[in-house]
Amino acid sequence: EAQVTQNPRYLITVTGKKLTVTCSQNMNHEYMSWYRQDPGLGLRQIYYSMNVEVTDKGDVPEGYKVSRKEKRNFPLILESPSPNQTSLYFCASSLINTEAFFGQGTRLTVV
Amino acid sequence: SQKIEQNSEALNIQEGKTATLTCNYTNYSPAYLQWYRQDPGRGPVFLLLIRENEKEKRKERLKVTFDTTLKQSLFHITASQPADSATYLCALDHQAGTALIFGKGTTLSVSS
Repeated sequence: EAQVTQNPRYLITVTGKKLTVTCSQNMNHEYMSWYRQDPGLGLRQIYYSMNVEVTDKGDVPEGYKVSRKEKRNFPLILESPSPNQTSLYFCASSLINTEAFFGQGTRLTVV
Repeated sequence: SQKIEQNSEALNIQEGKTATLTCNYTNYSPAYLQWYRQDPGRGPVFLLLIRENEKEKRKERLKVTFDTTLKQSLFHITASQPADSATYLCALDHQAGTALIFGKGTTLSVSS
């Protein structure tokens, strides 16, 4: 089954404790991206990757890091999480200029 | 500044009617525009893609139009059902397809 898998689905952490949200896709897509979704602000792109070892900033990259060492994986790293990073996070993948497939989401709470 | 706006935050209609959702954009030149459905707490699910050289696209009860002169897309759901109740997002490509930018969505409620 074609899918984008994010883990964990839910995470509560404390300010400053490094965390990683994993994202994996099984469709051989070149393009992967991370979004955060907040009430009233909609989906905002954090980082995207056009292919292995190629990443670039989206609209709201501050406080996040990503890496793309393999085509199927695109982890999101929060080196020092803060409460303003409490949000619902989505990973997405696609071929270039086609429909995007989204993961099931990760609800992160930073206290 | 660049903006993508979905004109209504919420739309309430009766079962069987046609729902029409609007997406307007400013200072973008997208090659295509997409529509997604999102249920609470879940990831968006792709519905339709329409390219800049296409005026209209249909899929079952769904119809999308794209007017690059007006910088507007309309999304129609005919013969709406309570199961169509969800948030609908429009999205367009930006920077030669490197970014997919989303509107904030319209929440549709279909009552029986």
